[in-house]
Amino acid sequence: EAGVAQSPRYKIIEKRQSVAFWCNPISGHATLYWYQQILGQGPKLLIQFQNNGVVDDSQLPKDRFSAERLKGVDSTLKIQPAKLEDSAVYLCASSLGTGGLASYEQYFGPGTRLTVT
Amino acid sequence: GNSVTQMEGPVTLSEEAFLTINCTYTATGYPSLFWYVQYPGEGLQLLLKATKADDKGSNKGFEATYRKETTSFHLEKGSVQVSDSAVYFCALTGGSQGNLIFGKGTKLSVKP
Repeated sequence: EAGVAQSPRYKIIEKRQSVAFWCNPISGHATLYWYQQILGQGPKLLIQFQNNGVVDDSQLPKDRFSAERLKGVDSTLKIQPAKLEDSAVYLCASSLGTGGLASYEQYFGPGTRLTVT
Repeated sequence: GNSVTQMEGPVTLSEEAFLTINCTYTATGYPSLFWYVQYPGEGLQLLLKATKADDKGSNKGFEATYRKETTSFHLEKGSVQVSDSAVYFCALTGGSQGNLIFGKGTKLSVKP
């Protein structure tokens, strides 16, 4: 079974530029998560999708971050304009999310390491 | 809201030493508890989990018991190997939709 795919793996941009990350979840997984992991900290949830609807985006900085999940499969996360403090690893995860505790088990992609200079 | 506190690292051990990484939590309701591991250059992997009080999760020689009375979920291994060198994250479910709240992580280095 293929895992969660993310691209690019690394990205370096200057502040005020824009950047986009892509995630392809495990086939059949209804729930998709984007996390931000700043160096030395644990991942923090940015946004959670159930199919193509947003379940939780309470910690997404909506003035600069946006995300979409068209057709309930792939997802993109965009930052525009980027700030220095956005330097982090952006993790995508997916889960079955169809009900019951086991369906909430999350599988993580390798992440995209963003450096903003 | 729910939160996790885990011991700060880094932790450096010799091969075959006993490992304990402390994790305590604050939560309303009855969250599920997890340990995730992140090997160098790789993504997060689920190591073990427990879904109710007194449950013991185990995998690859690691164990953790869900202790409701002490709100703890300490990770233990009797004999660590060099290949266990990684960052370990304690986590719990944050709400009804299954999102996770993570601790800051503990880096473990095992020397031969």
